[in-house]
Amino acid sequence: QQPVQSPQAVILREGEDAVINCSSSKALYSVHWYRQKHGEAPVFLMILLKGGEQKGHEKISASFNEKKQQSSLYLTASQLSYSGTYFCGTSTWGYQKVTFGIGTKLQVIP
Amino acid sequence: EAQVTQNPRYLITVTGKKLTVTCSQNMNHEYMSWYRQDPGLGLRQIYYSMNVEVTDKGDVPEGYKVSRKEKRNFPLILESPSPNQTSLYFCASSFGSGSTDTQYFGPGTRLTVL
Repeated sequence: QQPVQSPQAVILREGEDAVINCSSSKALYSVHWYRQKHGEAPVFLMILLKGGEQKGHEKISASFNEKKQQSSLYLTASQLSYSGTYFCGTSTWGYQKVTFGIGTKLQVIP
Repeated sequence: EAQVTQNPRYLITVTGKKLTVTCSQNMNHEYMSWYRQDPGLGLRQIYYSMNVEVTDKGDVPEGYKVSRKEKRNFPLILESPSPNQTSLYFCASSFGSGSTDTQYFGPGTRLTVL
C-alpha cells in the first residue's frame, strides 16, 4: 500500500524550515527519501532502517519512528536549490522492494 | 565516472512491437531496479534484482520482463507494448548495503507507445 505524504505542496522563503511527513498503514522495515527536480532523475537522499534511526545530510535530516510507522524529512535553513519534489519510499521487509508516495512539491523562493 | 546509463533516452513505438530498454552501471553494484513514473502516480517499482540471476517483482511487473545475466546490465523488456506502458522509465543501482546504501539513478527513458 502506498505511503501517504504530507503536505502535498509547500512554498518556503529562503532560510525557512520545512518538515515533510511520510506515513504508512503497514509495519515498515525501511524508509527511503529522494528529491527530484523538474525534468531530471530522482536523487537519493537517505535510507533509514527500523530501529528508530535518525540521519543527517548537510541541512537535510530525517527520522524514522517505526512504532508510528512514519518518517519525517527535515529541511533547515532552506536554499533555492532545495526546490523540487520529495518522495518517500517504504518497504515492509528488507529494503529492496519499495513503494513510493505521490510526492511533496517544495518550492523555495527568494 | 561512476554512472548508470540507459538507452535509448527517447523511444516512440507502436503497440505490440517488442522492445528492450538497456540499463548498465559501472560501479559493480549488486542491486538494480526499474521504476516507471507517471503524472499523479509518482514512482512505481517494476522489478528489482539483488544479484546475477536473482530478480523479483516490484509493485507493477505486469507486461514487463527483466534479466540479469551480467552484474552490470539489467535490461527491461516489453514483449508486446501497449499504450498504458507509455511512461518515463528510470533504472537505478546500489551496493545494497542497507543503512549506508546510496542509490544512483540513470537519466531516464521516455517511452511512447502508439
